[in-house]
Amino acid sequence: AAGVIQSPRHLIKEKRETATLKCYPIPRHDTVYWYQQGPGQDPQFLISFYEKMQSDKGSIPDRFSAQQFSDYHSELNMSSLELGDSALYFCASSLKETQYFGPGTRLLVL
Amino acid sequence: AQSVTQPDIHITVSEGASLELRCNYSYGATPYLFWYVQSPGQGLQLLLKYFSGDTLVQGIKGFEAEFKRSQSSFNLRKPSVHWSDAAEYFCTDGLTFGKGTHLIIQP
Repeated sequence: AAGVIQSPRHLIKEKRETATLKCYPIPRHDTVYWYQQGPGQDPQFLISFYEKMQSDKGSIPDRFSAQQFSDYHSELNMSSLELGDSALYFCASSLKETQYFGPGTRLLVL
Repeated sequence: AQSVTQPDIHITVSEGASLELRCNYSYGATPYLFWYVQSPGQGLQLLLKYFSGDTLVQGIKGFEAEFKRSQSSFNLRKPSVHWSDAAEYFCTDGLTFGKGTHLIIQP
């Protein structure tokens, strides 16, 4: 069965650079969620989209933005990167209430 | 505010022993509740979910969980753990995650 695809899987950036993470949901899923998981931490909800509209907002920094496109894929744009942004970024998709997670993008900011 | 609490940061059990991981929720209405498992450096895999109806739900890998409204709990159980069950376990209401319980299996 198709799963959530995230790219890239690994990303290394320097401080103050920008990064774009991509998420391709499971086919026919209409909702996408973004989470940030720091080392040894629980996933923190950032933002979600339903039918290409922002549906919920969590602890997403103002330096980050996201959108969902007409093909339902989503991109998380991160600007002015800080060392503390180093984390595993998960995308999840759902059709109803159950979220299915992608493998994550590991971002390292140097 | 809604919250999900996992009281145990670490749990150590012997291989073959039974397991119970605790999860408490704070929610006005009947919540949606999920258990996910995460191996080191990996994504989160759904073990089971509760929406409504039968309060005892069966999941994958031999796991089950029971929703108890009177105790505001949704504890995860397995009758006999295997070494491969060693991982981080998260309880969530769909947006808010508990802090996770790190399960260690002793040989």
